[in-house]
Amino acid sequence: QVQFVQSGAEVKKPGASVTVSCKASGYTFTEYAIHWVRQAPGQGLEWLGWINTDTGKRKYSAKMQGRVTITTDTSATTAYMELSSLRSEDTAVYYCARDRELDYYLLYWGQGTLVTVSS
Amino acid sequence: EIVMTQSPATLSVSPGDTATLSCRASQSITGKLAWYQHKPGQAPRLLIYDGSYRATGFPPRFTASGSGTEFVLTISSLQAEDVAVYYCQQYSNWPRTFGQGTKVEIK
Repeated sequence: QVQFVQSGAEVKKPGASVTVSCKASGYTFTEYAIHWVRQAPGQGLEWLGWINTDTGKRKYSAKMQGRVTITTDTSATTAYMELSSLRSEDTAVYYCARDRELDYYLLYWGQGTLVTVSS
Repeated sequence: EIVMTQSPATLSVSPGDTATLSCRASQSITGKLAWYQHKPGQAPRLLIYDGSYRATGFPPRFTASGSGTEFVLTISSLQAEDVAVYYCQQYSNWPRTFGQGTKVEIK
């Protein structure tokens, strides 16, 4: 079955960077795109970006452009989301999610990774 | 960017009654709309895709309709296990965008 295992919780200081990993299993990694979504405390879901795991093509939200980088290691069937210049407002649970195919809806979700930004 | 607007923000419904949630897109997204159910402490779950198709594992009391800019999710005969925040999301244009969510509570 399709599964995702995300890396553990992180605590970072303002200005630092964080990388969250998402290990996929149960399907052919390069046949489906991966999205990243976050939820800050008391807030709704926010789409951050997307990567075509076959071609490496990426899309990002305008708000996060320049600070977020999504990559993959296809040999490890793992996707990564790096967020730089962290601010307190980046404190959130970060989710990876697999697309239905390449550019549709989010069909399978990881369990989430809490990133806390605090001085 | 397409803005998704959900209403109401919170919906209190008695058990067994019907909950009606709305989602509006700032421009036409044809039928490229998904609904997600999000319970506290859990990952969101895909509930509806392509505007009206129910995802695996959800009972028939969840129905959805709409196209263009106006979409509706209906939960009939509401049960305690349906308490959650429901989000709509468009996948017609980049960037993908979510609505701000509707919290469904038991009255």
